[in-house]
Formats: sequence, structure tokens, C-alpha cells
Amino acid sequence: GQQLNQSPQSMFIQEGEDVSMNCTSSSIFNTWLWYKQDPGEGPVLLIALYKAGELTSNGRLTAQFGITRKDSFLNISASIPSDVGIYFCAGPGSGGSNYKLTFGKGTLLTVNP
Amino acid sequence: DTAVSQTPKYLVTQMGNDKSIKCEQNLGHDTMYWYKQDSKKFLKIMFSYNNKELIINETVPNRFSPKSPDKAHLNLHINSLELGDSAVYFCASRTGNSPLHFGNGTRLTVT
Repeated sequence: GQQLNQSPQSMFIQEGEDVSMNCTSSSIFNTWLWYKQDPGEGPVLLIALYKAGELTSNGRLTAQFGITRKDSFLNISASIPSDVGIYFCAGPGSGGSNYKLTFGKGTLLTVNP
Repeated sequence: DTAVSQTPKYLVTQMGNDKSIKCEQNLGHDTMYWYKQDSKKFLKIMFSYNNKELIINETVPNRFSPKSPDKAHLNLHINSLELGDSAVYFCASRTGNSPLHFGNGTRLTVT
């Protein structure tokens, strides 16, 4: 079945630092999505990537769709306390099913003020 | 507000009981989902309906039965609840290849 490996599992950083996390898949993706989950809430979409090599920004967040189509990166610059949460990558299921999204296991980010 | 809404937000019940979780979306989406998030925060797909038709049914015990009365609603009924069913259940919706929109979850605790 579809495998998504997300790393690191958790990060503890100081406010103001930059953060980088990544996901790799066992097969080629045509879409990469990055979500953030705040405590007690559902995941919220941060960035969507649809083309290999694509680099997209959303404020201090930047995500890239790897050119091999098997990986993606999310960077957060100048972190602030409200960046705390769980970040998930997601992509289409096995066989490129458009209906099924598979999620990585998440990166728990803690920002110390 | 346009959103995916699920009720209840918290559900505490005893083993062996039957319970339901309801979900409604007013985003005009045609596909709805149930995901289960375990204690390790792993999000695992359970079911998906497209225009009231079941299209995804992962390896889930048949004690779990989804029902979609129309494309804006997807409910989840769970029979004979077990301790291992304790988790946060998320409803989500989308149209076509658009990203998923999630509800805020239902935290189920089985004692």
C-alpha cells in the first residue's frame, strides 16, 4: 500500500528559528498537500502543490514539490509561538486514486518563546 | 459560516454501547470522508462517499457503519463499542481533486 514517510517526528525550537520538514513517498505523486493541526481542531490546509519542481509560499511558509515527484519539503521561516502544532503531508492513495488521501505521521512542532 | 460541522465534539460512553456521530458540510462538496486519529496522531482513512455512494471502505470492523442520506451529510454509527475505538474521528469533504476540508473532530472515549 501507499507509504508516506514524514520526518522529523518532532522538533523543539526557539522562537525566530527556521524549521524544515519533509515527506517521501514510495511511489510517484501528482499532488502534495501540507496541513497543520492545532490542538483540539481539525487539520487545516497550508499549501497545495500540483507540479514537480513547484515552489509555493504562504506567508512565512514555503513548500516544494520534489522533481522526482516522490518527495516534498515544508519550510517555516522566523518561527513564532503560534506555529506550534502538528504538520502533516498528504498525497493521493495507491494507484493515484483521486478519492483517497494518505497522510504522513506528522511532525510535532514546539516553539519556545 | 461555510464549514464541515460534526457533532458531538466529545462523546464518553461505556463498552458495548452503540453511538452515532453526525457530519454536515455546507461547502457544496460531493465527496465526504471519515478519518480516525489515534493517540499517536496518525490519520487513517475509514470511509468515503461520493454523491451518497460508498467509494472507499478501508479495513474497518463491520461494527462501524457509515450512512449518507444526501451528499451534504455523512454519519457514522458504531455498534458494540470497544476500548480500542477511543480516538478522535474527523469528518472531511472535498470536490474533485480539491484539498480536503476537515471538521473539528469528535473525541470518543470508551470506558
